[in-house]
Amino acid sequence: EPEVTQTPSHQVTQMGQEVILRCVPISNHLYFYWYRQILGQKVEFLVSFYNNEISEKSEIFDDQFSVERPDGSNFTLKIRSTKLEDSAMYFCASLGLPNTEAFFGQGTRLTVV
Amino acid sequence: SQQGEEDPQALSIQEGENATMNCSYKTSINNLQWYRQNSGRGLVHLILIRSNEREKHSGRLRVTLDTSKKSSSLLITASRAADTASYFCATVVEYGNKLVFGAGTILRVKS
Repeated sequence: EPEVTQTPSHQVTQMGQEVILRCVPISNHLYFYWYRQILGQKVEFLVSFYNNEISEKSEIFDDQFSVERPDGSNFTLKIRSTKLEDSAMYFCASLGLPNTEAFFGQGTRLTVV
Repeated sequence: SQQGEEDPQALSIQEGENATMNCSYKTSINNLQWYRQNSGRGLVHLILIRSNEREKHSGRLRVTLDTSKKSSSLLITASRAADTASYFCATVVEYGNKLVFGAGTILRVKS
């Protein structure tokens, strides 16, 4: 069964450092997303990406964040100058067609110390 | 505003019993999806129900959707200890593609 893969599974970084979270969506999917989940809280939408550009972003997704699809397979989330409150589980998701199920990766647990 | 709120927040039942979780939302939707999350792990897709559907089944899962009341329910029949997890509903608003998650229901099935 096709799956979304995320690397690394766990990342520890010092406050102020930059991190790049990587995702390989399902190969024929067209829509890509990043979500985050702070421990014990709900899953929050960050950004959606379609046709090589951001289609929607939340107010959380400020200038500290950026996304990129550098090649035909990877989808990355860059967080610049990390803060303690960026510590969370970050999920990547992909969608093939509108109004179908979204597939999520296993997540990257980011810990900012 | 919150889109997709589950109740109860927590549910504890005995193995073999049925578990019902409810989800309410505020705006018109394309579809509603239910996900399961084991502690600290990824989101596993359970079932999708579209706005023109009223009920769907998948194994021991039954989902209903009432668009007039803007609510959905997830029923897990004959629960097992392995069903212990958090369950989230997520809606895709009309003319949109992103999922908006509720706060989830923590289900504990005691053996």
